[in-house]
Amino acid sequence: EVQLVESGGGLVQPGGSLRLSCAASGFTFSSYAMSWVRQAPGKGLEWVSSISGSGDTTHYADSVKGRFTISRDNSKNTLYLQMNSLRAEDTAIYYCAKDRAMSSSAFLDYWGQGTLVTVSS
Amino acid sequence: QSVLTQPPSASGTPGQRVTISCSGSSSNIGSNYVYWYQQLPGTAPKLLIYRNNQRPSGVPDRFSGSKSGTSASLAISGLRSEDEADYYCAAWDDSLSGDVVFGGGTKLTVL
Repeated sequence: EVQLVESGGGLVQPGGSLRLSCAASGFTFSSYAMSWVRQAPGKGLEWVSSISGSGDTTHYADSVKGRFTISRDNSKNTLYLQMNSLRAEDTAIYYCAKDRAMSSSAFLDYWGQGTLVTVSS
Repeated sequence: QSVLTQPPSASGTPGQRVTISCSGSSSNIGSNYVYWYQQLPGTAPKLLIYRNNQRPSGVPDRFSGSKSGTSASLAISGLRSEDEADYYCAAWDDSLSGDVVFGGGTKLTVL
């Protein structure tokens, strides 16, 4: 059974940093791309970033480019999102999602339960 | 403002057929597959339709997807109360560095 468990969310001040983790199990982690998708309170889904199965190709939404870094450790079956220079508008539930392919796409077949990030002073 | 355009709301009575539209452009829907996600209240999104019109195992055949040109639609027949949820379309966008783009979501109410 595929399981994705996010952690690392919490309250952080504007300008601060946070690292999210997503522990994966139930599939060959290195064979699939992974994505982070967020949802601000009461709003729709917004794709944030994705990374290929090998980790050599990454993509970012313009809203986070230069501030967020996606990475993965295939030996630990874990996906990460390093978030720097956080802003109030980054407040959201952050979901990690498994892609159906080795390279990034919109085919997200499994999702975690999400972790809440709140940026506020 | 989302790259893909969906109506913010839709509604129907039990047993009815409802369709939700998703409009994009040549760089996303026009040249890539469309995916639909269902988000029940208080839960994570779930894949509902992949590659325009395919259903993952476990998704009832009451749900169907279609695509034509730069638009797509999700149809739900035999509407049931448990279908009340938010529905999102998504596609890969070939512009610039490549991104996943979502629609703004459609809240479906079963009256």
